[in-house]
Amino acid sequence: AQTVTQSQPEMSVQEAETVTLSCTYDTSESDYYLFWYKQPPSRQMILVIRQEAYKQQNATENRFSVNFQKAAKSFSLKISDSQLGDAAMYFCAYRRGSSNTGKLIFGQGTTLQVKP
Amino acid sequence: DTEVTQTPKHLVMGMTNKKSLKCEQHMGHRAMYWYKQKAKKPPELMFVYSYEKLSINESVPSRFSPECPNSSLLNLHLHALQPEDSALYLCASNLVGYTGELFFGEGSRLTVL
Repeated sequence: AQTVTQSQPEMSVQEAETVTLSCTYDTSESDYYLFWYKQPPSRQMILVIRQEAYKQQNATENRFSVNFQKAAKSFSLKISDSQLGDAAMYFCAYRRGSSNTGKLIFGQGTTLQVKP
Repeated sequence: DTEVTQTPKHLVMGMTNKKSLKCEQHMGHRAMYWYKQKAKKPPELMFVYSYEKLSINESVPSRFSPECPNSSLLNLHLHALQPEDSALYLCASNLVGYTGELFFGEGSRLTVL
């Protein structure tokens, strides 16, 4: 069975600084997708970034980038130039590549606090 | 339109009540999901519909009854709930065969008294 682990329940960062959220996963499959979702207090889960396992290049979306280490099964999220609006709970998630309607397997989440 | 709309946003019900949660999307997605989320916890999958047919039921108690009347709508009928069922219920959708991200609604906050 696949598992996703986020070892940091809470993190804090100063506004404009950089923070890295950790995520490790366990799978025996070679075809899969990884995601970071953000859930602010407003509740809606918003996709931050996605990574296809077959792609060696790390995904980047503006201030958000990932460090995807496939052999180590690690998928960390780096937030640069942190903003107050980045404060939220962040979930790392895994999905099998061969599944049409497969479930997302979520980590336990990391609550990020951004200090002004 | 890239939205998943859920109603109501808040619902308070007694243990003997019958209520429904509604989810709507107009993105042409043919896979729709119900998740349950407790505070400070990750979402837990309840049901998946694919082409309006139930494809996954994660052993959810029968007091939760899903329904997919058409390709844009997903309902969750609630009956004889317990206080421990109080949670945020999230609806999500995506294209069948698309292994990318799910699009989530804002959720319905349910309180069972």
